Amino acid sequence: GAGVSQSPRYKVAKRGQDVALRCDPISGHVSLFWYQQALGQGPEFLTYFQNEAQLDKSGLPSDRFFAERPEGSVSTLKIQRTQQEDSAVYLCASSLGYTVEQYFGPGTRLTVT
Amino acid sequence: SQQGEEDPQALSIQEGENATMNCSYKTSINNLQWYRQNSGRGLVHLILIRSNEREKHSGRLRVTLDTSKKSSSLLITASRAADTASYFCAPEGETSGSRLTFGEGTQLTVNP
Repeated sequence: GAGVSQSPRYKVAKRGQDVALRCDPISGHVSLFWYQQALGQGPEFLTYFQNEAQLDKSGLPSDRFFAERPEGSVSTLKIQRTQQEDSAVYLCASSLGYTVEQYFGPGTRLTVT
Repeated sequence: SQQGEEDPQALSIQEGENATMNCSYKTSINNLQWYRQNSGRGLVHLILIRSNEREKHSGRLRVTLDTSKKSSSLLITASRAADTASYFCAPEGETSGSRLTFGEGTQLTVNP
């Protein structure tokens, strides 16, 4: 595809619900990243995949957050039992490989009510 | 973590003027990247400068890197209203792997 796509673009969840956010990276990009961006802040790193391997998940804020990329392309970020503090924009990025620029998707704006 | 801190937090200029934003970081880096974010186009990569480079140009953008002072600057020349956005630096630390750590950014407003 032309760029990184994410779905849904907007998600409203009631507190306690589970949500799943999808990322379609640029075709052929080996690396995939998830970031969380709160209002007025810069993006904060959540997790990183190289192909299907999750090499770094040190940024996931709690065990309610889980990410997978089973076939090394599409990735899903799942948040269980959502809390109000999970409200943020979730950004996905992909890159060709190590130490190169990252291409970001438009993000999913999650609002937990 | 290897977080960049942008300065100033906000900058307002007139169209045609130059805009300079600064970034400071704390530990040794492999490279430093600058990104722009606006509501229309999301977060977009602007330029990457490696630790062995001192200056890099791309169109109206000029980036400098001073590893001895652990700082970088982004200069936008002949600014346009369309340059209105938040600008983030993202230093990639030698030990941080591929993760990028963004600061709070500089909010640039270019007035027509």
